[in-house]
Amino acid sequence: DAGVIQSPRHEVTEMGQEVTLRCKPISGHDYLFWYRQTMMRGLELLIYFNNNVPIDDSGMPEDRFSAKMPNASFSTLKIQPSEPRDSAVYFCASSFLRGREGVGDTDTQYFGPGTRLTVL
Amino acid sequence: AQSVTQLGSHVSVSEGALVLLRCNYSSSVPPYLFWYVQYPNQGLQLLLKYTSAATLVKGINGFEAEFKKSETSFHLTKPSAHMSDAAEYFCAVTASGGYNKLIFGAGTRLAVHP
Repeated sequence: DAGVIQSPRHEVTEMGQEVTLRCKPISGHDYLFWYRQTMMRGLELLIYFNNNVPIDDSGMPEDRFSAKMPNASFSTLKIQPSEPRDSAVYFCASSFLRGREGVGDTDTQYFGPGTRLTVL
Repeated sequence: AQSVTQLGSHVSVSEGALVLLRCNYSSSVPPYLFWYVQYPNQGLQLLLKYTSAATLVKGINGFEAEFKKSETSFHLTKPSAHMSDAAEYFCAVTASGGYNKLIFGAGTRLAVHP
């Protein structure tokens, strides 16, 4: 398996523009997580999905942020409008529920390489 | 609620010296505990995990960690540091009531000098 795939790897945009980050989880995984990493705040969980349904979005900073998972193999994180303070590295991770066999290692979250977002 | 405290945001060791990265947790339920490593400009990668089996857990790259319930600790060690171990290390605990949701510590940046 290719692992978790994120695109783009780098994004530079201007304040006020819409930004869309993309993630393809590992096939067979039924949990998907979006994280944000900054020097000041460390690694923050923004939202996570189970079977394409958002379970906990309490980490989403404000209404400018939205996430969708239209199917098991694709998720997006959108920021509209973007602001300089949104500059960070955004990670996507996937895993599967413990107890399921044959789909790899339970409970472990597999991280993508991240998208480095810079908002000018 | 679950939480993780990593003592020391920066640790510096000499090549060949013992590596000790500290992690203490708080959990209202039997925890699953993890150590992840992040190399520069990369995502997090699992080093090892504790899931209520053996209390001494061996991971990749010669790292190991011991679960001590009485001390609520899960410290990461490696007998002899290598230059390639320089990275940031994160301890994490499963969140109660949230399947697969992890609570991460603030991270410890390990520097290895010749």
